Amino acid sequence: DTEVTQTPKHLVMGMTNKKSLKCEQHMGHRAMYWYKQKAKKPPELMFVYSYEKLSINESVPSRFSPECPNSSLLNLHLHALQPEDSALYLCASSLHYRGTYQPQHFGDGTRLSIL
Amino acid sequence: DQQVKQNSPSLSVQEGRISILNCDYTNSMFDYFLWYKKYPAEGPTFLISISSIKDKNEDGRFTVFLNKSAKHLSLHIVPSQPGDSAVYFCAASGTISNFGNEKLTFGTGTRLTIIP
Repeated sequence: DTEVTQTPKHLVMGMTNKKSLKCEQHMGHRAMYWYKQKAKKPPELMFVYSYEKLSINESVPSRFSPECPNSSLLNLHLHALQPEDSALYLCASSLHYRGTYQPQHFGDGTRLSIL
Repeated sequence: DQQVKQNSPSLSVQEGRISILNCDYTNSMFDYFLWYKKYPAEGPTFLISISSIKDKNEDGRFTVFLNKSAKHLSLHIVPSQPGDSAVYFCAASGTISNFGNEKLTFGTGTRLTIIP
């Protein structure tokens, strides 16, 4: 069982819709991440939040808008997406550094399809 | 520019034998290396990591070897079991901060099939 919970598991939306992806963890992790994974490709980092503040934005288009309302919750707001945005969106979290490497733990992802 | 490469897209191994998965990297600034395992319809699951100051790390059936001069790491699974059939991703991270917000760069993955 994954300790990072993502909802919904599947989402189909039109190009004019607005929707949100949700990610939740209760492990006390203070860094949270959004990744995008296309078929037969590795996950690619989109955003990193550290202590609820955006610390890394990998030049993601503004039609993707992340939000971290509190230390347990991470949202990704979607608006006016394109068909090429169809992918698996993965959320991850990690502890802050404690003298030893703390790996990222992933949710099972949201499979997004843009019509 | 693919900084982390897994040149074998697939690998088949008999149950009970050793599975060896390979990974090469180009960025000498990477400090930590990880292996993740991914089943279909699930997120990647962390397996094992190694710091750049070490050359070997072992955890049960899994051992990761790092050759810094060759910029190469490998994952050994012994003995291989049917449940090990999955896609394995190698990943690398730069020097981490106290905030733990490091960026992971993933390889393209190797599909491992264990033959009963």
